[in-house]
This record gives sequence, structure tokens and C-alpha cells, in this order.
Amino acid sequence: DVKVTQSSRYLVKRTGEKVFLECVQDMDHENMFWYRQDPGLGLRLIYFSYDVKMKEKGDIPEGYSVSREKKERFSLILESASTNQTSMYLCASSDREADTQYFGPGTRLTVL
Amino acid sequence: KQEVTQIPAALSVPEGENLVLNCSFTDSAIYNLQWFRQDPGKGLTSLLLIQSSQREQTSGRLNASLDKSSGRSTLYIAASQPGDSATYLCAAPSSNNNDMRFGAGTRLTVKP
Repeated sequence: DVKVTQSSRYLVKRTGEKVFLECVQDMDHENMFWYRQDPGLGLRLIYFSYDVKMKEKGDIPEGYSVSREKKERFSLILESASTNQTSMYLCASSDREADTQYFGPGTRLTVL
Repeated sequence: KQEVTQIPAALSVPEGENLVLNCSFTDSAIYNLQWFRQDPGKGLTSLLLIQSSQREQTSGRLNASLDKSSGRSTLYIAASQPGDSATYLCAAPSSNNNDMRFGAGTRLTVKP
């Protein structure tokens, strides 16, 4: 079974802090994605990566950056957390040729 | 730009009923469409993936259909059970096929 893990299930940070969200997949997938999910808005793509050291902006990249130094790991970075970044963050991965995205359990981030 | 809409936003049915969830998408040049289930506070679990060459896919009590020409997909759940209570999301490839676009979901409650 594909397994996508995220470093934290719940995280509470203060405004201005630098926040790292880690995602690891164990299926050697090329593609990895970061979404945020907010009530009534569904999932919105922040960044995705189709290979090591490659990244592409999604719909809402402002205030975020990403890092993919190894194939299995995709990190989302909030350089200076703000209250409007309070959300559920979901990581996903997929094979280059396959169609299904596999999701991690999510990290619920609260910024105070 | 691909936009995915799900109606209704919420649905409550008594146990045993058959029900249909609706999904519409604006860009019909898709190569697949996917339905996911999400339990409260959890990540997404893939339910069914329909390729563009297929008209439907079945898994147990679930049946998903795809009509590209009309830009619609439906998820049919037969003999609903309380354990089916969750949010159901559909997703279609974005117009550049680099990522997926998600609907906001239908929150289903099946009452015993």
C-alpha cells in the first residue's frame, strides 16, 4: 500500500514564526503536491513538484515556499506565519504515469 | 481554467436509501475523473477513478459515471449505511493536466 505521511497532525504556531510542514511518501512517486483545505473552498493547490529540486506554483503560492531535495520528501515552508494561514494542509503524491493521487492524513495548523 | 462544482453541498438521508452525488466540470478535455472520500479531520481516500474512455466504474455499492460531453459525473451509492457518512469530493485534471482540481465536496450524513 502507498503510504504518505505528514510530520504533524496538529500544529499551533504564533504569527511571524517560520513553520515547516514535512511530507514523505514511500512509493517512489515522481509527483508531490501541497494543498490547503478550507471550509466552503475545497482543496486549493499551493505548490507541486514533478521531480527532485523541481517545483511549480499552484493557485495560491503567496506566503509559501517548498523544498524537494529528495524524491520521497516534499516540504512546505511558511516563512512568516500569519493568521490567514490557519488551515488544514494536505500532502499528496502520484506516479508520473498513473492518475491516482494518494493523500497524507493532513496537518491542521493554527496560527495565533 | 478547469472548475469543478459539486451539488448538493450537504445531504442527509435515512439508512438504506440509494443516493446520487453530482459533480460538474467546465473543461471536458479530461483524461480521467476521480472520486474521493474524506472523513472528518482526515486525509482523502480514493474511491473510484474513471478514465475518459470509460463511462462508469463500480466498486461494491459505489458506482461512478462520467459524461464528458455534458461535463458531468455522478457517484451513486446503493443501500446507504451510517458508515458512509463522510464528505465526498470529485476531482478532474486541470486544463494544463499538470494537477487536479477539486470540488468543494458533498457532506453526506446517513441516519440510522
